[in-house]
This record gives sequence, structure tokens and C-alpha cells, in this order.
Amino acid sequence: KNEVEQSPQNLTAQEGEFITINCSYSVGISALHWLQQHPGGGIVSLFMLSSGKKKHGRLIATINIQEKHSSLHITASHPRDSAVYICAVRGNNDMRFGAGTRLTVKP
Amino acid sequence: EAQVTQNPRYLITVTGKKLTVTCSQNMNHEYMSWYRQDPGLGLRQIYYSMNVEVTDKGDVPEGYKVSRKEKRNFPLILESPSPNQTSLYFCASSLSWGVETQYFGPGTRLLVL
Repeated sequence: KNEVEQSPQNLTAQEGEFITINCSYSVGISALHWLQQHPGGGIVSLFMLSSGKKKHGRLIATINIQEKHSSLHITASHPRDSAVYICAVRGNNDMRFGAGTRLTVKP
Repeated sequence: EAQVTQNPRYLITVTGKKLTVTCSQNMNHEYMSWYRQDPGLGLRQIYYSMNVEVTDKGDVPEGYKVSRKEKRNFPLILESPSPNQTSLYFCASSLSWGVETQYFGPGTRLLVL
């Protein structure tokens, strides 16, 4: 079993829909990251969480440390949100990654 | 502009020919790391460095070497590349190892024939 599990693997939505991507982990962490990777390959850090909830524009990330679970929400999705979203957990010195969720938002 | 740069961006080489992928950051970050990304396997950590002259292995260090002689640079060395090292490589840095954001380089796509 992977230490970081994401679901779903693939997600197709219509423009305007509310989207949720989930991440569960089985190891102790100091922080959790949500990353975005566009088709060109570049990776951008969206959020870093150690507790609670963060919001940037239409993106919201939450984490429940006790349940070892995090969610990334996208409100009013747009085709430009199409990308791979990756959950990563930070341990003592290292980073471990989920397999990613490929999101396609259709106009 | 604050950034992490990698060179080269694309490289085709042959088995056994030593190569170095450079990584440089201009943000005075202490922590730097190398990852590889493969289809179906996702991102995996190769090596990381907490500061100058301090490096340690990640999940998949076999076949790779690193050095951290200066704070800004963290080159990845493949002494004798093999086809199973064909991958997309990312360098990343953060201010320190704690609860700071990681900044990723643009990636280096390597093909070993």
C-alpha cells in the first residue's frame, strides 16, 4: 500500500462544477503540500498545510491531522484548471508523493 | 526574479556516458532536493541537501551522486547512466526544512539509449 493515496486518479468535469480531490496518508508528517503540474510539465506549489484550512482564490485546501486526510477543492472550475494535482507529504527530512489526479475541465 | 534553474532541459545520451544535470537557485535557500518522475510511479525523491556539504539519500538514490559545495548549486551526477534512468527530473528548493513552500525547477527530460 502506498504511503500517500490520492483519489480519484482521473476526473472530468464541466466548467463551473465544484471539484474535490482527496489525499490520505499513513505516515507521520510535518506538513502536506498540494502541487499543480500543467501539461508542459512544470510544477507549482499551491498550498502547504500543517493544520486547518487555506484558501487562495477559487482553491481551498483542508487537512485533518487526526484522520490523516486532506482535500483540495476547486470552486467554479474552469478549463485552465486542467492539470495534474499532486499531494505530497513532508516527513522528517523527506518528501513522499501521491500518484496524482488528472483533472480535465471541459468548456 | 526568484527561480530554480536546471540545465540542460532535454538530453539524449548513451549508456555509460557520464553526465551532470545542474540545478541553481537564487533565493538563498538552505534545502535543495532532486526528484524523478516516471509514468505510473509519480514523483520520487533521489537525494536532498539540508545545507552546504550536508546531503542524504532519498527513496531512489542508486546510480546517482550529488554534491553541495555552494548554497545555490546542487548538481545531479549520473556516473554511468543506464536506460532505467530515462526519466523527467526536477530540482526543488525551500528556505529551510520546515513548513516552507518548495520551489520547483522546470524539469530535465533525460533519455538514455
